[in-house]
Amino acid sequence: DVKVTQSSRYLVKRTGEKVFLECVQDMDHENMFWYRQDPGLGLRLIYFSYDVKMKEKGDIPEGYSVSREKKERFSLILESASTNQTSMYLCASGSGKKNQPQHFGDGTRLSIL
Amino acid sequence: GNSVTQMEGPVTLSEEAFLTINCTYTATGYPSLFWYVQYPGEGLQLLLKATKADDKGSNKGFEATYRKETTSFHLEKGSVQVSDSAVYFCALSDPQGAQKLVFGQGTRLTINP
Repeated sequence: DVKVTQSSRYLVKRTGEKVFLECVQDMDHENMFWYRQDPGLGLRLIYFSYDVKMKEKGDIPEGYSVSREKKERFSLILESASTNQTSMYLCASGSGKKNQPQHFGDGTRLSIL
Repeated sequence: GNSVTQMEGPVTLSEEAFLTINCTYTATGYPSLFWYVQYPGEGLQLLLKATKADDKGSNKGFEATYRKETTSFHLEKGSVQVSDSAVYFCALSDPQGAQKLVFGQGTRLTINP
């Protein structure tokens, strides 16, 4: 069965820290995505990657970066965490084939104090 | 640009009631349309999809029809159960490719016994 695994369910960090969120998929998917979920705003795309070492900005990339050194792993990095980055972060992967859905991890609830 | 608008929530119904959650979209080209569901404490799961006009997606008693003339993809279920309590997201795939999704803001559904 399809599996997208996020390394932490809950994370608490301090303002100014560098924060890493990890995501691994076991489906050999080409595409991987990072979203943040906030009440009333739905899911907003931060970054996505369609191949190893390739990345593209989504709708809200400011304050974030990503890394994809291996096909199965996609990391989201908060360079200097701020309180407005407190949110639920969701990772997803997709085959890249048209009309196919994305598959999501369970999310990481990140609190920045 | 592409966008999705869902009906305002939260929605509260009694068990066995009829459910409709409205979803309309704006897109250039011919997107695929999806409904995702998020149960408490979990990530998003694909509920159903439709890839072209007049397609009907269905799963677990839920249905939605891709209406190009009204740019809508409303979610319906004839008789809801307590276990249907969740947040529902309507989404479209970017017709330009890369499997990117654009989400609505989500509708929280609570079913009372």
